[in-house]
Amino acid sequence: EAGVTQSPTHLIKTRGQQATLRCSPISGHTSVYWYQQALGLGLQFLLWYDEGEERNRGNFPPRFSGRQFPNYSSELNVNALELEDSALYLCASSLARMMQYFGPGTRLTVT
Amino acid sequence: GIQVEQSPPDLILQEGANSTLRCNFSDSVNNLQWFHQNPWGQLINLFYIPSGTKQNGRLSATTVATERYSLLYISSSQTTDSGVYFCAVELQGGSEKLVFGKGTKLTVNP
Repeated sequence: EAGVTQSPTHLIKTRGQQATLRCSPISGHTSVYWYQQALGLGLQFLLWYDEGEERNRGNFPPRFSGRQFPNYSSELNVNALELEDSALYLCASSLARMMQYFGPGTRLTVT
Repeated sequence: GIQVEQSPPDLILQEGANSTLRCNFSDSVNNLQWFHQNPWGQLINLFYIPSGTKQNGRLSATTVATERYSLLYISSSQTTDSGVYFCAVELQGGSEKLVFGKGTKLTVNP
């Protein structure tokens, strides 16, 4: 069984640009979660999508947004990038609100 | 919001030693997971353990929900056990988000 996949592995952007990160959940999982792991700030919850709808949102500005597609894959968009957005972005998926399984992450660097 | 505290923050062991990592949480939880973060950043699931005791090889975990803590035991540690161990909880009430502790950084020396 394939795990959660994320792309790209690394992403380098300049301040003010937009970044798009992608996540494919484990087959059969309907919930997708996004977390940010920034240096010194630990792992913080960003967004939760279930059945195509945004269900919960962490304490992040509106320039962090996303969506979930009919095949349950998900995109995270970060607009107007700032230097402090540099972080490892982790996606997780779960079935029926049980254990969350994490992908390998996308490392975003903003210069 | 819920507080998740992990101790110790850093732990250095010799190969073969045993260790206990602790996670305290401040409120009732639906879900508690232990993870090992590898050097490349991926979070590896170790246990889904909202209550009770589970074992998987050299690792075991116990959660005492009524007293709001969980313990992760690592026996006969190996150098490959090195990394950061995170405890994460989901608050009761269906918020679905995992709240992570700051982690315990484990270094196992040969």
